[in-house]
Amino acid sequence: AQKVTQAQTEISVVEKEDVTLDCVYETRDTTYYLFWYKQPPSGELVFLIRRNSFDEQNEISGRYSWNFQKSTSSFNFTITASQVVDSAVYFCALSEATGRRALTFGSGTRLQVQP
Amino acid sequence: DTGVSQDPRHKITKRGQNVTFRCDPISEHNRLYWYRQTLGQGPEFLTYFQNEAQLEKSRLLSDRFSAERPKGSFSTLEIQRTEQGDSAMYLCASSLEALAGFREQFFGPGTRLTVL
Repeated sequence: AQKVTQAQTEISVVEKEDVTLDCVYETRDTTYYLFWYKQPPSGELVFLIRRNSFDEQNEISGRYSWNFQKSTSSFNFTITASQVVDSAVYFCALSEATGRRALTFGSGTRLQVQP
Repeated sequence: DTGVSQDPRHKITKRGQNVTFRCDPISEHNRLYWYRQTLGQGPEFLTYFQNEAQLEKSRLLSDRFSAERPKGSFSTLEIQRTEQGDSAMYLCASSLEALAGFREQFFGPGTRLTVL
């Protein structure tokens, strides 16, 4: 069975601070995919990134960066110089590499960025 | 791409009534997923379709739930004899599955169901 744990329920930061959202996963599969989604107050889940289990290279996209460490089963997400518009619930998710590819989500981390 | 759309956005019903939700996926996407999200939790998988075929149903999907995707386009999710425990956000997502690879799932805005 697959499991995703996001231990941080809520994080509050002041604008321009850096913040890291933690994600730890469990799977017996040797190949799999990891994802991050953002859910703003409007409710619609927005795709941020997909990472293949074979690819441990870290990725940076603007103010966002992701650190994938297979050895510790972690896929952490860092926002640099946070902005008020980053306020949302962020979900880490895991899927099989083949077959149904249904997403197993963590319980989410609510990020509040104060002006 | 026009995104995934869901209708209605909100539904309030009385316990025991039947409700039906609709999802229109991104047009070229051949996979369609239904998830349920309760307050403070991440979405949980309910069922999925590859074209018109329903390939898997989660144990969360009781006999009161049924989903269809006629002609492999839009999908409907029906809940019969609703219970208060069915109150949740019902999310639809679609993706493209091809021999060369796949596209990630894109989600609709959800239908929020309240059972009184």
